[in-house]
Amino acid sequence: ILNVEQSPQSLHVQEGDSTNFTCSFPSSNFYALHWYRWETAKSPEALFVMTLNGDEKKKGRISATLNTKEGYSYLYIKGSQPEDSATYLCAPSPSSASKIIFGSGTRLSIRP
Amino acid sequence: GAGVSQTPSNKVTEKGKYVELRCDPISGHTALYWYRQSLGQGPEFLIYFQGTGAADDSGLPNDRFFAVRPEGSVSTLKIQRTERGDSAVYLCASSLSPGTGETQYFGPGTRLLVL
Repeated sequence: ILNVEQSPQSLHVQEGDSTNFTCSFPSSNFYALHWYRWETAKSPEALFVMTLNGDEKKKGRISATLNTKEGYSYLYIKGSQPEDSATYLCAPSPSSASKIIFGSGTRLSIRP
Repeated sequence: GAGVSQTPSNKVTEKGKYVELRCDPISGHTALYWYRQSLGQGPEFLIYFQGTGAADDSGLPNDRFFAVRPEGSVSTLKIQRTERGDSAVYLCASSLSPGTGETQYFGPGTRLLVL
C-alpha cells in the first residue's frame, strides 16, 4: 500500500501570487502520478497524469513536475485567481493495479 | 459529451437500513471505479470493474458492501445494515480502458449520511 503525503494541508494565498505544494510517495512500486482539482460540490477534475521521471506537464497557469527516483511531485500555480480555490489531490498508482491511491489533499484558498 | 453521473446526490438513512448508490459511466468506458471519501481524507479505493467483472475488490471494507455491473455499463454499490461509520461521499469514476496511466473521470458523488 502506498503512503501518500501532501503538504501543506491548507494554504491561503493572495490573488495574483504564485504558489506551489508537494506530494511525496514511495519511489518503489510506482507507475503513474495523477493530480486532481476538487472544488466544493463539483466532481474531481483531472489535471495531469505523469509516468516518467523528469516529466513536466502544463495546463494554463498550472504546471507539475515528477521525480520518481526520490518520490515526489510538485504542483505550481502561477498568478493565483479566485477560481483556483479548491482541494488539490495527488494520487499515485502502484504498478500492480489500476486503482489510484489518493493523498489527503492541499486545500487552497485565494484571497481577493 | 455527458460525464459520469451518480444518483442520488444525497442520501439520508437510518442505521441498519439498506442503500443502493448508482453510477452511470461515460459511454464507451470499459473501466469503472468506486471510491469513498470521509471527512478530512482523500478518496479511498473500494472496487474496480473491467467490463462486467470486479477486477479488484480489495478496498471493500467488509461483506456489508457489494457492487455489481451486470451489463458492463451502469454500476450499483450496495450497502447492507448501514452503520454511522459508513457516512461519507461515495465517488464513482470511469476510464476508457484499464491501466494505471489512464485518466479516471469522476462523477459528483453521492453524499451518504447514516443517522
